[in-house]
Amino acid sequence: EIVLTQSPGTLSLSPGERATLSCRASQSVSSSYLAWYQQKPGQAPRLLIYGASSRATGIPDRFSGSGSGTDFTLTISRLEPEDFAVYYCQQYGSSPNTFGQGTKLEIK
Amino acid sequence: QVQLVQSGAEVKKPGASVKVSCKASGYTFTSYGISWVRQAPGQGLEWMGWISAYNGNTNYAQKLQGRVTMTTDTSTSTAYMELRSLRSDDTAVYYCARIGMGAEYDYWGQGTLVTVSS
Repeated sequence: EIVLTQSPGTLSLSPGERATLSCRASQSVSSSYLAWYQQKPGQAPRLLIYGASSRATGIPDRFSGSGSGTDFTLTISRLEPEDFAVYYCQQYGSSPNTFGQGTKLEIK
Repeated sequence: QVQLVQSGAEVKKPGASVKVSCKASGYTFTSYGISWVRQAPGQGLEWMGWISAYNGNTNYAQKLQGRVTMTTDTSTSTAYMELRSLRSDDTAVYYCARIGMGAEYDYWGQGTLVTVSS
């Protein structure tokens, strides 16, 4: 089973700042089958990034993903008030599909 | 537009079973798989397994093997997840998600809260 470790656990930033979230895998993620999801309280997760770097439909271009192998990054270039939420990475290249434990992005 | 609409909240006693439904619309149901993910209160996301809506093939998380069954009804474009021998630590919000063309989870249901309590 591939274990995904996200860091930091909590990130405190202000609107307008840049956010960098990390996801490290215990073994290589095949074919960059790595996704990022955003979850707000009381809501289902929403797909942001798939294939490590492709934005999902309707996702603003301030969200970008990068990385390969075992190290992946989600970057939000300029934080908007609606971006404060919990973010999860997920690998779906091997079974079981696994999720990271999440990074909470909070307003400073 | 793609929509996944799940059944309503359930309260069950330990040892009972629950069956959650996920009705799909806005796309060809048999062209995509459905995955199930759960989230215990205040916790992260846990993958439960998936089912191909094309041929019914399944793949379950090892820790749930023997207790979970995923099925589909192509006549109504509905996926089901049944969990048996419920325990208190099965209390969670259960989500269905469509498995997109690249295997990512591109659309999600609204979630179904299952509470297991005596």
